[in-house]
Amino acid sequence: GQQVMQIPQYQHVQEGEDFTTYCNSSTTLSNIQWYKQRPGGHPVFLIQLVKSGEVKKQKRLTFQFGEAKKNSSLHITATQTTDVGTYFCARGGGSQGNLIFGKGTKLSVKP
Amino acid sequence: DTAVSQTPKYLVTQMGNDKSIKCEQNLGHDTMYWYKQDSKKFLKIMFSYNNKELIINETVPNRFSPKSPDKAHLNLHINSLELGDSAVYFCASSLNTGTGGEKLFFGSGTQLSVL
Repeated sequence: GQQVMQIPQYQHVQEGEDFTTYCNSSTTLSNIQWYKQRPGGHPVFLIQLVKSGEVKKQKRLTFQFGEAKKNSSLHITATQTTDVGTYFCARGGGSQGNLIFGKGTKLSVKP
Repeated sequence: DTAVSQTPKYLVTQMGNDKSIKCEQNLGHDTMYWYKQDSKKFLKIMFSYNNKELIINETVPNRFSPKSPDKAHLNLHINSLELGDSAVYFCASSLNTGTGGEKLFFGSGTQLSVL
C-alpha cells in the first residue's frame, strides 16, 4: 500500500489560533485513523473515519474524511498548549493489511 | 495497570552488543507489533504477530529477531547492534489481525542509543 502524504510537516501557532493538518492519498482509502503523540510520549489513537464525507468532532477537534475517500483533515479550534505534539494519520492496506503511518505534523503552540 | 508495557524504557549500549526489548499486553489482543521511530519521527512497522504467528516481516536486517512465547508477549532481540539502530522502538497491539481497521495501542517506547 502507498504511503499517505501529510502536510504541513511543522506548524507553529499562537495559543488561541486554529490549526489544520491534511492527509492525502493517491488511492481510495477504506478508512483513515488519526493518532497524537505528545513530546517524549507514544502515539495515542484519536479516531477512525470510515464513511465518505464523514465528519466527527471531539471537543475542539474536527476530523473529516473526503467524499472521494482520498484525503482527510484534522482541525483544532483555538489551540491550547496541551495540543502540542505530533499528529499522525494512518491508513490500512499495508503489504499484509498493516497500518501505514504518514510522516506526521508537528504542532507547537506559543503561549 | 498499563495496557501495553515494554522494558526497558532506555537502552544505551555499545556497537556490536546484543540486546533485547520485552513487551507485554494485558488487553487480550490477538495481534502485536514492533514499530521503529527514527529521529524524524517516521513510524515504520517492523514485525507483526497474530496469536504467536509471524504475519508481517518488513525489510528488516536479520539481526532483528522477534519472539512471541504467547499472544500476550512479543520480544525483540537485536544482534550486533549498529549505530543506525539508534531509534525509539514501540510495541503495539490490536484486537485482531491488522487489516487496517483496528486501532493500535502503543507501549511507552524504548529509546535505544548505540554508541
